[in-house]
Amino acid sequence: SQQGEEDPQALSIQEGENATMNCSYKTSINNLQWYRQNSGRGLVHLILIRSNEREKHSGRLRVTLDTSKKSSSLLITASRAADTASYFCATDLGTGRRALTFGSGTRLQVQP
Amino acid sequence: NAGVTQTPKFRVLKTGQSMTLLCAQDMNHEYMYWYRQDPGMGLRLIHYSVGEGTTAKGEVPDGYNVSRLKKQNFLLGLESAAPSQTSVYFCASSYKRQENYEQYFGPGTRLTVT
Repeated sequence: SQQGEEDPQALSIQEGENATMNCSYKTSINNLQWYRQNSGRGLVHLILIRSNEREKHSGRLRVTLDTSKKSSSLLITASRAADTASYFCATDLGTGRRALTFGSGTRLQVQP
Repeated sequence: NAGVTQTPKFRVLKTGQSMTLLCAQDMNHEYMYWYRQDPGMGLRLIHYSVGEGTTAKGEVPDGYNVSRLKKQNFLLGLESAAPSQTSVYFCASSYKRQENYEQYFGPGTRLTVT
């Protein structure tokens, strides 16, 4: 079963609006990462938040982490058509395996 | 730097045929991974390697074998392809030295087994 589950599965917004995606996971983590995938391409790392952090910013991205609820959110502010992509959360369980467990993703469509 | 490259980009196999997918990275990363991506299921880890000459099983290893003879290359083999192995395959790599790390992905190989 997937460690991470994103919500919503799909999101359509207008350019300039904010987009919020949520991720829930099941077990304790070392860190949580967000990746973007453009259609037909590989994944690109966006941001990493450690288990002892609550919020992190990178440009127009804001990530929060609530370890008590086992959830994270990714906020993209002032969205652009170029933000159209699928977004995945991935958890590192810190078991020494050093491999990530990915959720099923949120498909974001930003209408120009 | 080319980053992570994958060969081939597309392939169609008949059931029972074999093939090898090649992943190469020029970032001197210690860790390398093979994932498969199916519609609506995100990425699932097939096999991974923490260094040259070492490999380990991931979530869905059955029907696949891997080898890491050189640090920069990670090969994924299908000995007898099945339609259930129709998928998009992604290779990734990462550093070992950092406590927390990000993975760098290749562009993917789209495999269809008929």
